[in-house]
Amino acid sequence: AQSVTQLGSHVSVSEGALVLLRCNYSSSVPPYLFWYVQYPNQGLQLLLKYTSAATLVKGINGFEAEFKKSETSFHLTKPSAHMSDAAEYFCAVSEGTGGFKTIFGAGTRLFVKA
Amino acid sequence: EAGVAQSPRYKIIEKRQSVAFWCNPISGHATLYWYQQILGQGPKLLIQFQNNGVVDDSQLPKDRFSAERLKGVDSTLKIQPAKLEDSAVYLCASSFYSPLDEQFFGPGTRLTVL
Repeated sequence: AQSVTQLGSHVSVSEGALVLLRCNYSSSVPPYLFWYVQYPNQGLQLLLKYTSAATLVKGINGFEAEFKKSETSFHLTKPSAHMSDAAEYFCAVSEGTGGFKTIFGAGTRLFVKA
Repeated sequence: EAGVAQSPRYKIIEKRQSVAFWCNPISGHATLYWYQQILGQGPKLLIQFQNNGVVDDSQLPKDRFSAERLKGVDSTLKIQPAKLEDSAVYLCASSFYSPLDEQFFGPGTRLTVL
């Protein structure tokens, strides 16, 4: 069965610092992996997705994530944090068994300090 | 392009009462999802429709929750009777064909059960 674990419910970085949000997944077959972002008072929106093409995936707003099969990880990074990046980030997995149901992690709230 | 619409945005009811939520997906999107997001947790899939057929409802508490998608467009989620633990944000999302496509989320309905 598929599952997602996000390490750290809260992450705080200074403006201009590296952002690293961790996600580990469990899947019995090659998975599809997603990062969604939820800004305050807004709906979730897709940041990026991995669909078994390139292992390094680039998304919107300067974010990228690397699929590492050996580590079953899909960590999200951004070289330089901006105040506007403060939001909640959700990692999600979807696999072919069971009709491609999407499972979301518990989320990581990113705080950016001036 | 209009986004996913949901109503109402907020609802407060007492336990054992009934409540219904409405969702209008993006035009042309075949797949519609209802998620439950409890405070501090990630979205949990309740039910997934493809056109007007149910693809997955394995996590829908069928003794009290019901959902329908008439004519493969709008959808309604009902809770009858509500329990305290149903307090959550109910999110509706749609995608062009499957969960492997980007899911577009509505603003959600915040339900408080007293």
